[in-house]
Amino acid sequence: NAGVMQNPRHLVRRRGQEARLRCSPMKGHSHVYWYRQLPEEGLKFMVYLQKENIIDESGMPKERFSAEFPKEGPSILRIQQVVRGDSAAYFCASSPPRRGKGNTIYFGEGSWLTVV
Amino acid sequence: AQSVTQLGSHVSVSEGALVLLRCNYSSSVPPYLFWYVQYPNQGLQLLLKYTSAATLVKGINGFEAEFKKSETSFHLTKPSAHMSDAAEYFCAVSVSFQKLVFGTGTRLLVSP
Repeated sequence: NAGVMQNPRHLVRRRGQEARLRCSPMKGHSHVYWYRQLPEEGLKFMVYLQKENIIDESGMPKERFSAEFPKEGPSILRIQQVVRGDSAAYFCASSPPRRGKGNTIYFGEGSWLTVV
Repeated sequence: AQSVTQLGSHVSVSEGALVLLRCNYSSSVPPYLFWYVQYPNQGLQLLLKYTSAATLVKGINGFEAEFKKSETSFHLTKPSAHMSDAAEYFCAVSVSFQKLVFGTGTRLLVSP
Protein backbone atom coordinates (compact mmCIF):
# COMPACT_ATOMS: atom_id res chain seq x y z
CA ASN A 1 0.00 0.00 0.00
CA ALA A 2 1.75 3.09 -1.22
CA GLY A 3 1.91 6.03 1.10
CA VAL A 4 0.88 9.59 0.45
CA MET A 5 2.59 10.61 -2.78
CA GLN A 6 3.62 14.16 -3.43
CA ASN A 7 5.22 15.68 -6.47
CA PRO A 8 7.34 17.41 -7.29
CA ARG A 9 9.63 16.90 -4.31
CA HIS A 10 11.54 20.05 -5.13
CA LEU A 11 10.34 23.02 -7.14
CA VAL A 12 12.09 26.25 -7.98
CA ARG A 13 10.05 29.19 -9.19
CA ARG A 14 10.89 32.79 -10.00
CA ARG A 15 8.91 35.51 -8.31
CA GLY A 16 5.61 36.02 -10.05
CA GLN A 17 5.35 32.50 -11.45
CA GLU A 18 2.82 29.88 -10.46
CA ALA A 19 3.53 26.80 -8.39
CA ARG A 20 1.41 23.65 -8.53
CA LEU A 21 1.91 20.93 -5.97
CA ARG A 22 0.23 17.56 -6.33
CA CYS A 23 -0.81 15.01 -3.78
CA SER A 24 -2.20 11.52 -4.19
CA PRO A 25 -3.63 10.22 -0.91
CA MET A 26 -3.17 6.72 0.36
CA LYS A 27 -5.46 4.12 -1.15
CA GLY A 28 -8.84 4.20 0.51
CA HIS A 29 -8.32 7.67 1.98
CA SER A 30 -10.88 10.29 1.09
CA HIS A 31 -9.64 13.14 3.29
CA VAL A 32 -6.71 15.30 2.27
CA TYR A 33 -4.91 18.01 4.24
CA TRP A 34 -2.25 20.50 3.30
CA TYR A 35 0.25 21.89 5.80
CA ARG A 36 3.07 24.38 5.37
CA GLN A 37 6.37 24.34 7.19
CA LEU A 38 8.36 27.52 7.12
CA PRO A 39 12.08 27.35 7.92
CA GLU A 40 12.73 26.61 11.59
CA GLU A 41 9.01 26.38 12.36
CA GLY A 42 6.46 23.69 12.97
CA LEU A 43 3.80 22.71 10.51
CA LYS A 44 0.84 25.01 10.07
CA PHE A 45 -2.53 23.76 8.87
CA MET A 46 -3.69 25.23 5.59
CA VAL A 47 -6.70 23.37 4.25
CA TYR A 48 -8.77 20.22 4.62
CA LEU A 49 -10.55 18.72 1.64
CA GLN A 50 -12.74 15.81 0.76
CA LYS A 51 -13.53 14.79 -2.78
CA GLU A 52 -14.81 17.89 -4.60
CA ASN A 53 -15.32 19.77 -1.34
CA ILE A 54 -13.29 22.18 0.73
CA ILE A 55 -14.18 21.44 4.33
CA ASP A 56 -11.91 23.84 6.21
CA GLU A 57 -9.66 26.44 4.63
CA SER A 58 -9.10 28.52 7.72
CA GLY A 59 -5.32 28.29 7.35
CA MET A 60 -5.11 29.33 3.73
CA PRO A 61 -3.78 32.80 2.89
CA LYS A 62 -6.61 34.90 1.53
CA GLU A 63 -4.93 35.63 -1.77
CA ARG A 64 -2.94 33.68 -4.35
CA PHE A 65 -3.47 30.28 -2.71
CA SER A 66 -6.08 27.72 -3.73
CA ALA A 67 -6.62 24.01 -3.32
CA GLU A 68 -8.77 21.41 -4.92
CA PHE A 69 -9.42 17.70 -4.68
CA PRO A 70 -11.31 16.67 -7.80
CA LYS A 71 -13.41 13.57 -8.19
CA GLU A 72 -10.68 12.04 -10.28
CA GLY A 73 -6.98 12.67 -9.86
CA PRO A 74 -4.74 14.13 -7.19
CA SER A 75 -5.28 17.05 -4.91
CA ILE A 76 -3.63 20.23 -6.14
CA LEU A 77 -2.28 23.13 -4.11
CA ARG A 78 -1.85 26.12 -6.36
CA ILE A 79 0.12 29.24 -5.53
CA GLN A 80 -0.16 32.09 -7.97
CA GLN A 81 2.36 34.90 -8.37
CA VAL A 82 4.77 33.39 -5.88
CA VAL A 83 6.85 35.59 -3.60
CA ARG A 84 10.01 34.80 -1.63
CA GLY A 85 7.96 34.33 1.53
CA ASP A 86 6.21 31.36 -0.07
CA SER A 87 9.45 29.39 0.08
CA ALA A 88 8.64 26.51 2.40
CA ALA A 89 7.99 22.81 2.61
CA TYR A 90 4.42 21.91 1.77
CA PHE A 91 3.16 18.67 3.23
CA CYS A 92 0.12 16.77 2.15
CA ALA A 93 -1.57 14.30 4.46
CA SER A 94 -4.49 11.95 4.16
CA SER A 95 -6.79 9.94 6.36
CA PRO A 96 -9.53 7.40 5.84
CA PRO A 97 -13.21 8.20 6.33
CA ARG A 98 -13.66 8.94 10.00
CA ARG A 99 -14.77 6.06 12.16
CA GLY A 100 -14.57 7.79 15.51
CA LYS A 101 -11.44 7.75 17.57
CA GLY A 102 -8.35 6.18 16.15
CA ASN A 103 -8.05 7.88 12.80
CA THR A 104 -4.50 8.71 11.98
CA ILE A 105 -3.34 11.34 9.56
CA TYR A 106 -0.52 10.10 7.32
CA PHE A 107 1.91 12.56 5.83
CA GLY A 108 3.69 12.57 2.52
CA GLU A 109 7.35 13.38 2.16
CA GLY A 110 6.71 16.98 1.24
CA SER A 111 7.30 19.35 -1.63
CA TRP A 112 10.03 21.92 -1.11
CA LEU A 113 9.28 25.18 -2.89
CA THR A 114 12.07 27.67 -3.42
CA VAL A 115 11.23 31.08 -4.84
CA VAL A 116 14.16 32.93 -6.38
CA ALA B 1 -8.19 27.16 20.97
CA GLN B 2 -5.81 24.25 21.19
CA SER B 3 -2.06 24.69 21.35
CA VAL B 4 1.08 22.82 22.28
CA THR B 5 4.34 24.07 23.72
CA GLN B 6 7.55 22.14 23.28
CA LEU B 7 10.18 23.16 25.77
CA GLY B 8 13.64 23.23 24.31
CA SER B 9 14.28 23.67 20.61
CA HIS B 10 17.34 21.42 20.92
CA VAL B 11 18.04 18.49 23.21
CA SER B 12 21.41 16.75 23.28
CA VAL B 13 21.99 13.30 24.74
CA SER B 14 24.68 10.69 24.61
CA GLU B 15 24.06 7.37 22.96
CA GLY B 16 22.49 5.06 25.52
CA ALA B 17 21.15 7.87 27.69
CA LEU B 18 17.53 8.59 28.50
CA VAL B 19 15.63 10.71 26.00
CA LEU B 20 13.03 13.14 27.38
CA LEU B 21 11.25 15.55 25.06
CA ARG B 22 8.70 17.81 26.70
CA CYS B 23 5.27 18.76 25.43
CA ASN B 24 2.56 20.69 27.24
CA TYR B 25 -0.84 21.19 25.69
CA SER B 26 -3.71 23.56 26.09
CA SER B 27 -7.20 22.42 25.26
CA SER B 28 -10.66 23.19 26.56
CA VAL B 29 -11.91 19.72 25.69
CA PRO B 30 -10.31 16.29 26.00
CA PRO B 31 -7.52 16.32 23.46
CA TYR B 32 -6.06 13.83 21.08
CA LEU B 33 -2.28 14.07 21.24
CA PHE B 34 0.38 12.93 18.82
CA TRP B 35 4.11 12.72 18.48
CA TYR B 36 5.65 12.78 15.01
CA VAL B 37 9.29 12.43 13.95
CA GLN B 38 10.83 14.13 10.95
CA TYR B 39 14.17 13.10 9.49
CA PRO B 40 16.03 15.64 7.33
CA ASN B 41 14.23 16.47 4.10
CA GLN B 42 11.56 13.89 4.78
CA GLY B 43 7.94 13.88 5.79
CA LEU B 44 6.49 13.25 9.22
CA GLN B 45 6.18 9.77 10.62
CA LEU B 46 3.76 9.03 13.43
CA LEU B 47 5.49 7.79 16.55
CA LEU B 48 2.46 7.41 18.78
CA LYS B 49 -0.91 8.89 19.62
CA TYR B 50 -3.16 9.33 22.63
CA THR B 51 -6.91 9.03 22.13
CA SER B 52 -8.17 8.82 25.73
CA ALA B 53 -7.56 5.12 26.21
CA ALA B 54 -4.50 4.14 28.25
CA THR B 55 -2.57 7.11 29.58
CA LEU B 56 0.78 5.45 28.87
CA VAL B 57 1.13 5.09 25.13
CA LYS B 58 3.78 2.98 23.50
CA GLY B 59 4.96 3.82 20.02
CA ILE B 60 7.44 2.71 17.46
CA ASN B 61 11.22 2.56 17.86
CA GLY B 62 11.00 2.14 21.63
CA PHE B 63 9.38 5.51 22.32
CA GLU B 64 6.53 6.04 24.73
CA ALA B 65 4.61 8.97 26.14
CA GLU B 66 2.45 9.48 29.19
CA PHE B 67 -0.65 11.64 29.22
CA LYS B 68 -0.92 13.58 32.49
CA LYS B 69 -4.08 15.60 32.65
CA SER B 70 -3.16 17.29 35.93
CA GLU B 71 0.03 18.60 34.37
CA THR B 72 -1.41 19.06 30.85
CA SER B 73 1.64 17.23 29.60
CA PHE B 74 2.44 14.53 27.07
CA HIS B 75 6.21 14.09 27.32
CA LEU B 76 8.01 11.67 25.01
CA THR B 77 10.61 9.30 26.44
CA LYS B 78 12.95 6.56 25.37
CA PRO B 79 15.10 4.67 27.88
CA SER B 80 18.21 4.45 25.72
CA ALA B 81 19.03 6.77 22.83
CA HIS B 82 20.39 5.44 19.57
CA MET B 83 22.27 7.39 16.95
CA SER B 84 19.42 6.78 14.52
CA ASP B 85 17.05 8.69 16.84
CA ALA B 86 18.63 11.98 15.82
CA ALA B 87 15.80 13.91 14.16
CA GLU B 88 13.20 16.60 14.75
CA TYR B 89 10.27 15.67 16.94
CA PHE B 90 6.90 17.38 16.84
CA CYS B 91 4.10 17.23 19.36
CA ALA B 92 0.60 17.93 18.04
CA VAL B 93 -2.90 18.29 19.44
CA SER B 94 -6.28 17.81 17.83
CA VAL B 95 -9.85 17.71 19.02
CA SER B 96 -11.46 16.50 15.86
CA PHE B 97 -8.85 14.71 13.75
CA GLN B 98 -9.58 17.34 11.14
CA LYS B 99 -6.79 19.68 12.06
CA LEU B 100 -3.56 19.14 13.91
CA VAL B 101 -1.92 21.99 15.76
CA PHE B 102 1.82 21.40 15.94
CA GLY B 103 4.44 22.60 18.33
CA THR B 104 7.57 24.27 17.03
CA GLY B 105 9.57 21.06 17.29
CA THR B 106 12.55 19.78 19.24
CA ARG B 107 15.71 18.73 17.48
CA LEU B 108 17.27 15.71 19.16
CA LEU B 109 21.04 15.41 18.86
CA VAL B 110 22.68 12.12 19.82
CA SER B 111 26.41 11.99 20.40
CA PRO B 112 28.54 8.84 20.49
